[in-house]
Amino acid sequence: EVQLVESGGGLVQPGGSQRLSCVAFEFNFNHFWMTWVRQAPGKGLEWVASIREDGSQKHYVESARGRFTVSRDNTKNSLFLQMDSLTSDDTAVYYCARARKKVDLDVWGQGVLVTVS
Amino acid sequence: SYELTQPPSVSVSPGQMARITCSGDALSKKFAYWLQQKSGQAPVLVIFEDSKRPSGIPERFSGSASGTGATLSIYGAQVDDAADYFCYTTDRSGDRLVFGTGTKVSV
Repeated sequence: EVQLVESGGGLVQPGGSQRLSCVAFEFNFNHFWMTWVRQAPGKGLEWVASIREDGSQKHYVESARGRFTVSRDNTKNSLFLQMDSLTSDDTAVYYCARARKKVDLDVWGQGVLVTVS
Repeated sequence: SYELTQPPSVSVSPGQMARITCSGDALSKKFAYWLQQKSGQAPVLVIFEDSKRPSGIPERFSGSASGTGATLSIYGAQVDDAADYFCYTTDRSGDRLVFGTGTKVSV
């Protein structure tokens, strides 16, 4: 079954760091852009970052630039989000998603909660 | 600007048509996409490139776009269609995604 499984969520203190992982199953991971999207409690969706198939291009929402780093390891079918200098505004459920044609978010992980407090 | 505006809520009776709008300047040049998110679950793509349905999405879900707006229509809405719906698109460069404010659909 095509799926994405995230891990790495938890409670972190303000100013701290957290690293999220997302493992892909049953599809050619290195053929797809990948994306991180987050959702603060009771709020809407917010795009966080995207990374090209080979990792050569990375794009970030303005609020994450300089603090978050998206990366991938195609040999392990894995996507990562390193988050530094976290604030309470970063508290959210973080989803990884496959981005077909860079934009079609057609497969989503189950989401992981990051609480900054 | 790259803001997408949706009505906060839409309420329909089972079997009626639900229509959700999404408006923003970016839609005049970029495709609209629609996600369905049921309570406590991850989003699901229901419409891509304005009007295309992914495999497995019921035919009652239909998308259209014109000018600076896009619309998701649910023909013969079912109780199971109750969810939050988000539109999204990309910025001019195509590198950044912009999400709509979300619409809660009650059936």
